[in-house]
Amino acid sequence: AQKVTQAQTEISVVEKEDVTLDCVYETRDTTYYLFWYKQPPSGELVFLIRRNSFDEQNEISGRYSWNFQKSTSSFNFTITASQVVDSAVYFCALSEGWRSQGNLIFGKGTKLSVKP
Amino acid sequence: EAQVTQNPRYLITVTGKKLTVTCSQNMNHEYMSWYRQDPGLGLRQIYYSMNVEVTDKGDVPEGYKVSRKEKRNFPLILESPSPNQTSLYFCASSPNLRTSGSDNEQFFGPGTRLTVL
Repeated sequence: AQKVTQAQTEISVVEKEDVTLDCVYETRDTTYYLFWYKQPPSGELVFLIRRNSFDEQNEISGRYSWNFQKSTSSFNFTITASQVVDSAVYFCALSEGWRSQGNLIFGKGTKLSVKP
Repeated sequence: EAQVTQNPRYLITVTGKKLTVTCSQNMNHEYMSWYRQDPGLGLRQIYYSMNVEVTDKGDVPEGYKVSRKEKRNFPLILESPSPNQTSLYFCASSPNLRTSGSDNEQFFGPGTRLTVL
């Protein structure tokens, strides 16, 4: 069965620290997609990244980077030089294959607090 | 502007009073779905639709109904709301990967905060 685990419920860091949010997934499909979303205190869900199972290249976007490792079924998210505006709940999600591409299985989220 | 809209954004109602939360997307997406978000549980899928007149249950469908008569709309219906349906609800849409290639972002609406007394 498919599952997404975000073991860190809450993380607190001081501004400018680097922080890594962990995501471990389970799936039996060979074709799947992984996502990260940010939910700031205002409540909306902000799309950050999508990665498909055939593309293990790591991605960097400004202060954000993602490390996808199929060998450990992990898709971790690192924020470099964190800022107060990064404070939010971050969700990792999985969608399996062509048939289930519209269905996201979410982790329970990691609440990140960045203190000045 | 490409977007998913939901109405109402906030709703307080009483047990048993039927309600509908509307969802509309302007991107001609085939896939639409509803999620509910509860503290400590993350987001869980209620129902999804792969195209017009095609709907299916997600993980927590009990107490909910949906319909997909048009591609752009996917309303969520609570026939007899109960307090355990107090939650934050999100509608989402996405294109079909087979036709959109690599561009498969899930677009989420702004959320509807529902309180059932």
